[in-house]
Amino acid sequence: QKEVEQDPGPLSVPEGAIVSLNCTYSNSAFQYFMWYRQYSRKGPELLMYTYSSGNKEDGRFTAQVDKSSKYISLFIRDSQPSDSATYLCASLNRDDKIIFGKGTRLHILP
Amino acid sequence: DGGITQSPKYLFRKEGQNVTLSCEQNLNHDAMYWYRQDPGQGLRLIYYSHIVNDFQKGDIAEGYSVSREKKESFPLTVTSAQKNPTAFYLCASIGRTTITNEKLFFGSGTQLSVL
Repeated sequence: QKEVEQDPGPLSVPEGAIVSLNCTYSNSAFQYFMWYRQYSRKGPELLMYTYSSGNKEDGRFTAQVDKSSKYISLFIRDSQPSDSATYLCASLNRDDKIIFGKGTRLHILP
Repeated sequence: DGGITQSPKYLFRKEGQNVTLSCEQNLNHDAMYWYRQDPGQGLRLIYYSHIVNDFQKGDIAEGYSVSREKKESFPLTVTSAQKNPTAFYLCASIGRTTITNEKLFFGSGTQLSVL
């Protein structure tokens, strides 16, 4: 089992819809979780990070962590064509090693 | 502005040649990382370093080497032993002193191709 699992997609949703992106992780030692957005052939940019279970909101983005089920989610409200990108989840373990999921390709249809 | 600079943006390697990818950061970060990205594979960790003059192998270190002689610099050499080097290479850094408040920053990447 990979340490961080993520459905590669592609995921296509109409403009204005709510997007739900999800990851699971296997290692209970993971304690710090991040979501990155990556446009084609660019470096990933950090969208959200969280240290604990619960929700964290920033504008149209909400990150959710459920440590009991080892499940992390990113919700995008009022999705826009500019949100079309690959979204990567990542976890940081106690050895400061950052593990990434494979990324989900998202297409927002105008 | 603070950030991570990777160079070159594009790099071509001939058979049997070693090439070096540059990564420089002025964020005063202790930890630096090199990742390789292939289509459909996500980011795979090659090497990482938490302190000057020390580094550890990641999941796919074979055919690569690194050095960390200065805090700001973490160059990656792709050696001739790496038989499938074509990929997008990403360098990243993060501060360790206040890990819960720090963020992993990425450079803009280097696309390496084999001639």
